Amino acid sequence: GENVEQHPSTLSVQEGDSAVIKCTYSDSASNYFPWYKQELGKRPQLIIDIRSNVGEKKDQRIAVTLNKTAKHFSLHITETQPEDSAVYFCAPTDTGRRALTFGSGTRLQVQP
Amino acid sequence: DAGVIQSPRHEVTEMGQEVTLRCKPISGHNSLFWYRQTMMRGLELLIYFNNNVPIDDSGMPEDRFSAKMPNASFSTLKIQPSEPRDSAVYFCASVLGGEQFFGPGTRLTVL
Repeated sequence: GENVEQHPSTLSVQEGDSAVIKCTYSDSASNYFPWYKQELGKRPQLIIDIRSNVGEKKDQRIAVTLNKTAKHFSLHITETQPEDSAVYFCAPTDTGRRALTFGSGTRLQVQP
Repeated sequence: DAGVIQSPRHEVTEMGQEVTLRCKPISGHNSLFWYRQTMMRGLELLIYFNNNVPIDDSGMPEDRFSAKMPNASFSTLKIQPSEPRDSAVYFCASVLGGEQFFGPGTRLTVL
């Protein structure tokens, strides 16, 4: 099966700073690379995704970059705010086989 | 659309009892996933269905767990008999184009 690793497992930043979370994967057939945010007591929700024909995608303060050769993709959050505090999961996916593996999660804490 | 619907939202039961969790996916989504989430093990994939057919159940912990999807709008996850270590939040998610749409989850406590 797919090996997925997320780093770091916890991240604490000051409000206004940037945060970067990295996800490495092993399955070269993965072609869809989403990031999910899970606030305390709530369900995971998609915040941004990228497909394998694109290297970078940005949506306001969040962005995802993909390096398919090295098999990793990263979540970038700029100008962090306290409401960004949550657990973030990556889930590299082979949409053909509908196979995916969630990373172990990164707990982001934004200090006001 | 109401999104993915799960019931019950909370379940407290005693060890040895049968537990049935229910999920209604979003209409038109043809894949459905069941997950279990705990602090110790994170988010674990238990089983998923494509077009109502179970595709991969390698994540189902043991024979006490079973899942069915009798039609495109309904799925169940059953635990019989339940044990305290089954206590967790169970999510189902329906999928379109790779994106997972999670239900609100069922918080199961087995005493």
